[in-house]
This record gives sequence, C-alpha cells and structure tokens, in this order.
Amino acid sequence: EPEVTQTPSHQVTQMGQEVILRCVPISNHLYFYWYRQILGQKVEFLVSFYNNEISEKSEIFDDQFSVERPDGSNFTLKIRSTKLEDSAMYFCASEGNNEQFFGPGTRLTVL
Amino acid sequence: AQSVSQHNHHVILSEAASLELGCNYSYGGTVNLFWYVQYPGQHLQLLLKYFSGDPLVKGIKGFEAEFIKSKFSFNLRKPSVQWSDTAEYFCAWRAQTLYSSASKIIFGSGTRLSIRP
Repeated sequence: EPEVTQTPSHQVTQMGQEVILRCVPISNHLYFYWYRQILGQKVEFLVSFYNNEISEKSEIFDDQFSVERPDGSNFTLKIRSTKLEDSAMYFCASEGNNEQFFGPGTRLTVL
Repeated sequence: AQSVSQHNHHVILSEAASLELGCNYSYGGTVNLFWYVQYPGQHLQLLLKYFSGDPLVKGIKGFEAEFIKSKFSFNLRKPSVQWSDTAEYFCAWRAQTLYSSASKIIFGSGTRLSIRP
C-alpha cells in the first residue's frame, strides 16, 4: 500500500539555523499539507499546498516558514531561522479521494 | 472559533471493558468528521470517517462512531477493548467544500487510552 514518507526521522539543530524537512507524498495525490505537534499538545495545521502554490496557511506559518515542491515528487518545509519553540513533531500529509494520509513525522529538536 | 473538544484527557480501562470517547466540534456548516489513532511510536492512522449518509460509521479494529448533528458530537465507541488498543485517539473535522480545494483538518487535543491487561 502506498504511503507518505518523511526524512529525516529526527533532526537536531541549533537555534538560528535553517532546517529543511522532506516529504514524499503518495504519487497521484494533488493536495499536500504540513502539520505540527508540540510535545503534549494537539496536532496543528501549518499550511496546505495545491497546484504549486499555498492554498491556506495558519498564523503559525510566518515568514520564517516556506514550502516547496521542487521536483514533482518531494514536498519540503523550510524553517529559515529556527527558534526554541519550533521544537515539535512535523507531519506531512497528502490527500487523495478526500482522505489525508499522514507520514511518520520528523521530530525537530532546536537547542 | 473552529474547534474540537475531546472530553477525556486520559482514560484507563481493563481489557474487555466498553469504551466511549467523547468529541464535540463547533462549526455551523457541513463537516467531514474523523477519528485518528496514534499508537506509541507510530504515525497517525485513520480509524474511521464520516462524510454523509448513515450517521453510525464503522471503522477498523471494531471501532465505530455516531454522528449526532443536533449535538455537534461524534463519539467513538468500542464494545470490548483489547490491550493493543492502548494509544492516543484524536477526533478531527474539516469543512466540507463544494469545490476542489485543499481543506485543513482541525484536531482535538487527544485522549490517551491505557488498557490494563
């Protein structure tokens, strides 16, 4: 069964550094999402992406965040200058047939 | 504000007990409703979903949920839980759109279910 994959599974970075989280959505899906889950809190929507542009973004998704689908298969989330409060689990999802399929997540730790 | 309320933060049951996890959403329009499960160390998996039709929906692993529109509720049930049901359960919803577009899912805060063997 096709699945969403994410790399790396765990990323440790210093505050102020840039990180890129990678996702490979299920092929033939057209809608893509990033969510995050701070430890002990609920899963929060960050951004949705369709037709090579952002469809919607949350208040969390400020100028430090960007998304890209550089080559038709990968879907990336970039954080330009990480802050301590960016430490969280980041989930990618792709949607097909009205169902969102989630990847295993990348745990980002900002020191 | 668009939100989901899950009434129980942590539920502890013995094996074979019956389970009901409460969920209420706040949105005036037509919604799609979901229950996701996250087993320890694993990613989110869809347990069941409601889009339209029969308000009693059956999902995987013996779970079911009932959509009660008048109460804005979508409670999850299982008649007899097993130790392997130990996990975090998330109620979620999204606005149903009439046109093709990306539509975010709004998650509840989750209920941690612990099953005693």
